[in-house]
Amino acid sequence: DAMVIQNPRYQVTQFGKPVTLSCSQTLNHNVMYWYQQKSSQAPKLLFHYYDKDFNNEADTPDNFQSRRPNTSFCFLDIRSPGLGDAAMYLCATSTNVGVWEETQYFGPGTRLLVL
Amino acid sequence: RKEVEQDPGPFNVPEGATVAFNCTYSNSASQSFFWYRQDCRKEPKLLMSVYSSGNEDGRFTAQLNRASQYISLLIRDSKLSDSATYLCVVSPGAGSYQLTFGKGTKLSVIP
Repeated sequence: DAMVIQNPRYQVTQFGKPVTLSCSQTLNHNVMYWYQQKSSQAPKLLFHYYDKDFNNEADTPDNFQSRRPNTSFCFLDIRSPGLGDAAMYLCATSTNVGVWEETQYFGPGTRLLVL
Repeated sequence: RKEVEQDPGPFNVPEGATVAFNCTYSNSASQSFFWYRQDCRKEPKLLMSVYSSGNEDGRFTAQLNRASQYISLLIRDSKLSDSATYLCVVSPGAGSYQLTFGKGTKLSVIP
C-alpha cells in the first residue's frame, strides 16, 4: 500500500546531541511537510517542501533544519535538541492535483524524548 | 482570537448517542475545511472534507457556515471505536499548502 513512513518511531537523544528523523513516501506526492506536535496541542507546521523548494515557517527555530534529497525522502535535523523539543514529529505529504491538493496524508510520527 | 478554535472537551457519551462538535475559524478567506481524527499517540487521519452544501458519510455529517465562520461535525449512533480526538482543520485553499489545525476535541464513548 502506498504510504508515508517515518523512522524511527521512537527516538531518545541527549540534550544538545544532534538527531535526524527520516520520512519516506510511496505516494509520489510533490509536497512534504514536517510538523511538531506537543501533548494536547495542535500540530505546528515547521516547514514544507514543494518539490525542491523549501518553505520555512517564520517562527521555526534555526535549530531545526530539513533536507529533501529526492521526491521520496525528507529529513528533519535538530542540531542541538533542548528539553522543549521533546514532542511528536509528524511528516505529511500532499499533491497539487485537482481538488484534493490540500488533503494531507500523515506518517505515524516519531516521538522524540530529550534527556 | 485563535485561528481555529474548538471546545477541547472531553465529551463523554454513551454508546449510541449523538454528539456534535463545533469549530470556528478567524480567516474569512479560508477555502477548504476538513475534519481529521487522531487516536491517542497516533497520527491525524482525514475523516472527511467539509463542503459548502454540507456532506454526510455514513454516521458522520459535516456542515459549513461561511457567514458565521463555523464548522460542525455530527456523529450519530456513537461507537466505542469513535473514541478519539477530532481536529478541525482549515486551509486558505487556492494553491496554498498551509493547514491550520485546531487543538482538537476529545471524545470518549462509554459502554
